[in-house]
Amino acid sequence: NAGVMQNPRHLVRRRGQEARLRCSPMKGHSHVYWYRQLPEEGLKFMVYLQKENIIDESGMPKERFSAEFPKEGPSILRIQQVVRGDSAAYFCASSPPQGQGPYEQYFGPGTRLTVT
Amino acid sequence: QKEVEQNSGPLSVPEGAIASLNCTYSDRGSQSFFWYRQYSGKSPELIMSIYSNGDKEDGRFTAQLNKASQYVSLLIRDSQPSDSATYLCAVERGGSNYKLTFGKGTLLTVNP
Repeated sequence: NAGVMQNPRHLVRRRGQEARLRCSPMKGHSHVYWYRQLPEEGLKFMVYLQKENIIDESGMPKERFSAEFPKEGPSILRIQQVVRGDSAAYFCASSPPQGQGPYEQYFGPGTRLTVT
Repeated sequence: QKEVEQNSGPLSVPEGAIASLNCTYSDRGSQSFFWYRQYSGKSPELIMSIYSNGDKEDGRFTAQLNKASQYVSLLIRDSQPSDSATYLCAVERGGSNYKLTFGKGTLLTVNP
């Protein structure tokens, strides 16, 4: 399967624990985006990364949230000390490098985070 | 004014009819526009992209763009029950070339 991969698909954490969400982009894609979808709300941009670089994190909450996309391995969205308001679906999307085909973002299956 | 607005619906059409979904946006600098389909509990699936004024057709889907009116639409011809989903309009923030702003989506129901 050459699509965007995310794991885990479902994650349950107690308040105060850490959540780590992983995303492997589509084959040939080098740009990764994270979005959050709260119940009854639209998708909200969180962060845009390229390998070893955070390009735009303007949508990330200032505290407790961080993201990385290392040279090797998947992109990781990390939420420290989770609170109930963090319960949401977190989607990763990827797109090809600029100049290699049309700019379009393709989404992974998402991680449903539940904080108890 | 909201950045990207869509009628929340639900929009209900009979099988075989044309479904028309509309979207307006506020950023005049936006150059790229996308329609995604999202089934309940699933992830968004890209179905159309449009970058120039006018119509773009792909199978049963036609996207229409009017930058002067800041309006994007999606027509689904010969609607099928399997088209029942939430349709999300996404607009690239002017100048960013990557940052998408999504509308809240229109729920479409196609009745057999």
